Amino acid sequence: DAGVIQSPRHEVTEMGQEVTLRCKPISGHDYLFWYRQTMMRGLELLIYFNNNVPIDDSGMPEDRFSAKMPNASFSTLKIQPSEPRDSAVYFCASSSTVGFRSADTQYFGPGTRLTVL
Amino acid sequence: SQQGEEDPQALSIQEGENATMNCSYKTSINNLQWYRQNSGRGLVHLILIRSNEREKHSGRLRVTLDTSKKSSSLLITASRAADTASYFCAGASGGSYIPTFGRGTSLIVHP
Repeated sequence: DAGVIQSPRHEVTEMGQEVTLRCKPISGHDYLFWYRQTMMRGLELLIYFNNNVPIDDSGMPEDRFSAKMPNASFSTLKIQPSEPRDSAVYFCASSSTVGFRSADTQYFGPGTRLTVL
Repeated sequence: SQQGEEDPQALSIQEGENATMNCSYKTSINNLQWYRQNSGRGLVHLILIRSNEREKHSGRLRVTLDTSKKSSSLLITASRAADTASYFCAGASGGSYIPTFGRGTSLIVHP
C-alpha cells in the first residue's frame, strides 16, 4: 500500500482565497483524521470521520473550515476564505478498528504545508 | 484536553548515549502511543503500550508506563544521529480510543 496520500504537498495562496486540501487514506481503514500543526499550538486534531461520517468536529477552528468525506477513499479539508493565521502544516491520518477498539495506531500522510500571504 | 505532555521539550545528546523522554497525562488511559516525526515529515508510529502493561520493548526502544503516576517514558538506547527527530506521546481514553497528542520532545543526536 502507498500509505496515506495528501495533495498538494505545498500550497501558497493569498488571503481571502479558497484552499482545498485532499487526502486518500489507506485502503480498508475506517477512520480518517485531519490535524493542523504549528509551532505555537503543536498538533491539533481538527475533525475525524468513521465510515465516512464526521464524528467529532470540535477542533475545527471556525466556520471558515469545512471537511467532507464523500467516500471511503477520499476526504477534503476546505478553508474559505483563508487567512494568514491559517498558515500551518495540515496532516491527514487514517486508522482501522481493531476488534472492539474503535481506533488504534494512526498512519500519517506527509502533510500539506499551507502558506497564506 | 491534552493526554500527553512531554518532558523535556528539547534534548541534545551525543551519539551512543541513551535518550530518555517522559510523558505525563491527566486522565486514565486505555493505551499510550509514542510517535516520531522527522523534520518535514508526517508522524510515524513507534510503539503502543496498553494500560495493563508496564513495559514494552521494540529494538532499541523501551517504553514504560506507570498508571499510578499517570506517566510514561521512552528510552532510546545507543542513540544514532538518525534518531534526531521530534517524539510525541499520545494517550487514548474513553470508549473511542482516539489518541490525543502532546507537544513533543525535540531530540538532537550529535554524531
